[in-house]
Amino acid sequence: GAVVSQHPSRVICKSGTSVKIECRSLDFQATTMFWYRQFPKQSLMLMATSNEGSKATYEQGVEKDKFLINHASLTLSTLTVTSAHPEDSSFYICSAVGLAGYTDTQYFGPGTRLTVL
Amino acid sequence: AQSVTQLGSHVSVSEGALVLLRCNYSSSVPPYLFWYVQYPNQGLQLLLKYTTGATLVKGINGFEAEFKKSETSFHLTKPSAHMSDAAEYFCAVSGYGNKLVFGAGTILRVKS
Repeated sequence: GAVVSQHPSRVICKSGTSVKIECRSLDFQATTMFWYRQFPKQSLMLMATSNEGSKATYEQGVEKDKFLINHASLTLSTLTVTSAHPEDSSFYICSAVGLAGYTDTQYFGPGTRLTVL
Repeated sequence: AQSVTQLGSHVSVSEGALVLLRCNYSSSVPPYLFWYVQYPNQGLQLLLKYTTGATLVKGINGFEAEFKKSETSFHLTKPSAHMSDAAEYFCAVSGYGNKLVFGAGTILRVKS
């Protein structure tokens, strides 16, 4: 149980384009999803917290207009990187916390490698 | 506020030797503590967690950790290292709203 998927696993795009990354909880309902960014050889940096049906809460220093987060259902959250630039290239990981039995642990997706040319 | 310190960014052990990865935390509230493992270009996999109750926690792949409140520690151990254990390990403490605060990570190398 507690499986989280991400799609795509890898994406390469041109500078100036937008990229959408999906995060799904496959076998539980996720009341809260988190989005992280991980630079090479570094720990995870929390970008934002999203709760189903409400606006995401962004960490200090994260541009909300650049990193659009939508949590439209209890199993899906999306992160859209708008007008991507090479400095946005990174490994993006989502995690989910759910209801009954899945409330105290974050379960992580496999990550999405974004490369902006 | 909460924080996590992982002592040793790199740890190297021989196959079959004891694995000990150190984690100390600070927390103003009773902590939930976690160890995650990350293989290259993959997400994080939960190894084990401490929430309440028994302070010695057993996880997957033969790992275990002991919560020691007096030492504010949650060190990860495995009696006998296997080549497949080579990965990066993250200790984390859970705070407000299930937010996780991660340590910097420890890369475990297993020598044959």
